[in-house]
Amino acid sequence: DSGVTQTPKHLITATGQRVTLRCSPRSGDLSVYWYQQSLDQGLQFLIQYYNGEERAKGNILERFSAQQFPDLHSELNLSSLELGDSALYFCASSGGRNEQFFGPGTRLTVL
Amino acid sequence: QKEVEQDPGPLSVPEGAIVSLNCTYSNSAFQYFMWYRQYSRKGPELLMYTYSSGNKEDGRFTAQVDKSSKYISLFIRDSQPSDSATYLCAMIYLSGGSYIPTFGRGTSLIVHP
Repeated sequence: DSGVTQTPKHLITATGQRVTLRCSPRSGDLSVYWYQQSLDQGLQFLIQYYNGEERAKGNILERFSAQQFPDLHSELNLSSLELGDSALYFCASSGGRNEQFFGPGTRLTVL
Repeated sequence: QKEVEQDPGPLSVPEGAIVSLNCTYSNSAFQYFMWYRQYSRKGPELLMYTYSSGNKEDGRFTAQVDKSSKYISLFIRDSQPSDSATYLCAMIYLSGGSYIPTFGRGTSLIVHP
């Protein structure tokens, strides 16, 4: 158990809908990273937050957004969902060094 | 050319074998190197973390970094069926004050009894 929690575990929704994924980092970790993992793309870095502020952006679509709250939990919002957005979404947290500890993931299925 | 190249496998070995997993990279700015193990549909688990060239050992695992050749390796000694998983290499570089991670596609390892 990495200490990172993610909810929900599974999410099934329809095209065009909007969903919110939630992540709670390890105790004391200020950084949260979001990733998308699909069979054909591997693990893709989406966005990083550090202590409530956006720190780095990766391959995140404009339809996706994230935020980190004062209690350090983070949410990833996915809107106007398409079939191709079906994937595993992971968050990871890190502390003072750059080691990242991953949560169990949310499996999103868009029908 | 992708920034990080990793052979997807699968790599099939008998129990007890020494396993060698490798990644090459093109971005000389990568400073930190990690190996993760991922079981099917689970979150990646950090195995090894290093930031310098050379070897780092932890139990049955040895991580090797050769920055001059842009090549990193993970060796697993006395491999066990429980080591069967996908192994991801990851690298981080510093850009504009932010640490940007890049992952390899992963190598599927099968250790058969």
